[in-house]
Amino acid sequence: EPEVTQTPSHQVTQMGQEVILRCVPISNHLYFYWYRQILGQKVEFLVSFYNNEISEKSEIFDDQFSVERPDGSNFTLKIRSTKLEDSAMYFCASSEAQGQGLTQFFGPGTRLTVL
Amino acid sequence: SQQGEEDPQALSIQEGENATMNCSYKTSINNLQWYRQNSGRGLVHLILIRSNEREKHSGRLRVTLDTSKKSSSLLITASRAADTASYFCATLKADSWGKLQFGAGTQVVVTP
Repeated sequence: EPEVTQTPSHQVTQMGQEVILRCVPISNHLYFYWYRQILGQKVEFLVSFYNNEISEKSEIFDDQFSVERPDGSNFTLKIRSTKLEDSAMYFCASSEAQGQGLTQFFGPGTRLTVL
Repeated sequence: SQQGEEDPQALSIQEGENATMNCSYKTSINNLQWYRQNSGRGLVHLILIRSNEREKHSGRLRVTLDTSKKSSSLLITASRAADTASYFCATLKADSWGKLQFGAGTQVVVTP
C-alpha cells in the first residue's frame, strides 16, 4: 500500500541553524501539507500546498518557514533559523484532492530537537 | 476557537470490552476524521465521515456524527491490546479545503 515517507526520522540541530525536512508524498496525490506536534500538545496545521503554491497557512507559518516541491516527488519544509520552541514532531501529509470527502494520509514524522 | 475536543482524556479498559470516545467541535464542518497514534509514532487514518453522513462502519470501528450537536463518537468494539494508542478527531472546517484541526486526543489503554 502506498505511503507517505519522511526523512530524517530524527534531526538534532543548534538554535539558529537552518533545517530542511523532507517528505515523499503518495505518488498520485496533488495536495501536500505540513503539521507539527509539540510534545504533549495537539497536532497543529502549518501549511497546505498545491500546484507549486501555498494554498493555506496558519499563523505559526511565519517568514522563518518555507515549503518547496523541488522535483516531481519531494516536498520539503525549511526552517530558516531554528528556535528552541521549534522542537516538535513534524508530519507531512498528502491527499488526492481537497474538500469534503478526501482523506489526508500522514507520514511517520520527523522529530526535530533544537538545542 | 477550539475545534475537535475529545473526551474522555484517558480510558482504560480490559480486552474484549468496547471503548467509546467523543469529540465535540464548534463550527460547521466539511468532514470529521479519526486518527490513531501509537506513542511517538505517526498518525494512522481510521475513518472519515462527511458532514451529510450520520454513521459509518469500518471493521470494529463505528463512527457517528451529529451535526446538530456538533459532536462525533468513535466506538471500538471487542478491543484488543493492540488498540492501545491515542485517538484524535480532526475536523475540516466548512470554510477550509485542507486545514485539519485536531483535538487533544483520548489516550486508550487496553489491558489483556
